[in-house]
Amino acid sequence: GDSVTQMEGPVTLSEEACLTINCTYTATGYPSLFWYVQYPGEGLQLLLKATKADDKGSNKGFEATYRKETTSFHLEKGSVQVSDSAVYFCALILYSSASKIIFGSGTRLSIRP
Amino acid sequence: ETGVTQSPTHLIKTRGQQVTLRCSSQSGHNTVSWYQQALGQGPQFIFQYYREEENGRGNFPPRFSGLQFPNYSSELNVNALELDDSALYLCASSVQGVGTTEAFFGQGTRLTVV
Repeated sequence: GDSVTQMEGPVTLSEEACLTINCTYTATGYPSLFWYVQYPGEGLQLLLKATKADDKGSNKGFEATYRKETTSFHLEKGSVQVSDSAVYFCALILYSSASKIIFGSGTRLSIRP
Repeated sequence: ETGVTQSPTHLIKTRGQQVTLRCSSQSGHNTVSWYQQALGQGPQFIFQYYREEENGRGNFPPRFSGLQFPNYSSELNVNALELDDSALYLCASSVQGVGTTEAFFGQGTRLTVV
């Protein structure tokens, strides 16, 4: 079935370090791919998305490229900040009769000052 | 601010009881989806409502049921609560039709079953 596998956490980095969170997917069709972020005590916020192969989503310094050949959508940021501390979820959606979102298990990111 | 509001924010229930969670969708959105997020896990799709009818369901038993109202708000009902139902319940609204839009999530309702 359709699924998302992402790098297990927690990930702890120092401020201004480079970040990569790996994400791979399995899907029967042609999904759209997303990264959501969940700050402590809050719901999910869409961070970025890509709807077709080779698209690059970007927002707030984060980037991810839809790689069909490797079925991946890795999240990257060149210089992280303390305010980036959160849980990050990779997700896919297949627009069939019900547009359900399939999430990975989440990666907790902690940034040290 | 996404415009999706959920109530209540926290709830404690006893095993065997019934609970109703509520969601007001973002203005202009006609589709509501519900997700269960257990501690330390990613959200799992429960079901989706479009035009007041269930439009897809995940792997959840029938004691999880829902409603969507003409104003597109929605309820999630869970009967015969079990300890494993303790989780954050998230509601997401979107527009379904030509060019389905992204989903916007509410803050969630934290349900604790004791």
